[in-house]
Amino acid sequence: GQQVMQIPQYQHVQEGEDFTTYCNSSTTLSNIQWYKQRPGGHPVFLIQLVKSGEVKKQKRLTFQFGEAKKNSSLHITATQTTDVGTYFCAGRDSSNTGKLIFGQGTTLQVKP
Amino acid sequence: ETGVTQSPTHLIKTRGQQVTLRCSSQSGHNTVSWYQQALGQGPQFIFQYYREEENGRGNFPPRFSGLQFPNYSSELNVNALELDDSALYLCASSLSGISTDTQYFGPGTRLTVL
Repeated sequence: GQQVMQIPQYQHVQEGEDFTTYCNSSTTLSNIQWYKQRPGGHPVFLIQLVKSGEVKKQKRLTFQFGEAKKNSSLHITATQTTDVGTYFCAGRDSSNTGKLIFGQGTTLQVKP
Repeated sequence: ETGVTQSPTHLIKTRGQQVTLRCSSQSGHNTVSWYQQALGQGPQFIFQYYREEENGRGNFPPRFSGLQFPNYSSELNVNALELDDSALYLCASSLSGISTDTQYFGPGTRLTVL
């Protein structure tokens, strides 16, 4: 079945350093969404990418969707302690059912 | 907050028992999706309900069943509980069942099966 792989599983950075997490799908995606989950919390929607090669920015966060619509990345510039959490990508296939296939997540720890 | 609520917050059951989890969707949303999140994993899609009909199902056995009511709230029922059913159960509501709609997650129900 369709799989979404995410790397790395964990990342520890010093506050102020950059951070990137990568997401790869075994099949072409209709769109991809990114979520952030704080410890003990639930996934919170960050952004959705739909178009091939799309790049979107939210303050220090930059999201990219690959040209083949099979991979995506999230880059955080100059991390802050408030960025701590687990970041998930979630892809949708072309079946139009709304089913999200989540990656395993990347847990970010930021040392002050 | 997303306006999606779930009850109960926590639940402890024993193997073989049955459980019902509840979800109230955000106002105006007619679609509810259920996910199971095991510790340290990403959420896994269980099924989706759109206007009271099941609209897609993941790789979960038939003992996982659901309902959606006319007010678009939803229930997840799990029969014959197994130890591996211990997880955070998340519901997410969206405006409709189409693939470009954002899904807004509730706080989840933490189920422990002993």
